[in-house]
Amino acid sequence: EVQLVESGGGLAQSGGSLRLSCAVSGFTFSNYEMNWVRQAPGKGLEWLSYISSGGRSIYYGDSVKGRFTISRDNSENSLYLQMNSLRADDTAIYYCVRGGGINLPFDTWGQGTLVTVSS
Amino acid sequence: SYVLTQAPSVSVAPGKTARITCGGDNIGIRSVHWYQQKPGQAPVLVIYNDKDRPSGIPERFSGSNSGNTATLTIARVEAGDEADYYCQVWDSNTDYRVFGEGTQLTV
Repeated sequence: EVQLVESGGGLAQSGGSLRLSCAVSGFTFSNYEMNWVRQAPGKGLEWLSYISSGGRSIYYGDSVKGRFTISRDNSENSLYLQMNSLRADDTAIYYCVRGGGINLPFDTWGQGTLVTVSS
Repeated sequence: SYVLTQAPSVSVAPGKTARITCGGDNIGIRSVHWYQQKPGQAPVLVIYNDKDRPSGIPERFSGSNSGNTATLTIARVEAGDEADYYCQVWDSNTDYRVFGEGTQLTV
């Protein structure tokens, strides 16, 4: 069974940092592109970042560029999101998502981890 | 960057057909994907590449894409279809993955 399990969410201070992790199982992680997508309370989905299967290609959305860093460890079957300079509007559920390559869908989603940033 | 426009809400009676649209500049040349999100749950892919269904998605779900509008059609709507639906594309100009604002389907 394909599984993506996020962890690392919680309460952070404005200006602080958090590191999210996503542990995957049930598929060959190193063969797949991965992403982070978030959803603020009561709001829609927002794509944040993409990383290619080998980690060489990385893209960020405007709202997190320069503050967040995506990375992966294929030997550990894990995806990461380092979040710095956190702001109140970063409060959201953060999803680890498989897929999302060129013209490709996000085919599998984790259950998400909640990040709350207090000011 | 590329913008996708969805109506905030659509209401349909059980057993009828729901049509949820996603507007974008010349969206017909892009591959559109659709996601269903029920309250408190993660999104689920229901249509990819405009009209293809992942395994496990009922045939009642179908998609089309032409001109400036992509459409998700749900036939014989059931109470369990009540959810938020999001369209999504890849923007070749920026390499961004873009979501529509979402449409809340009420049955």
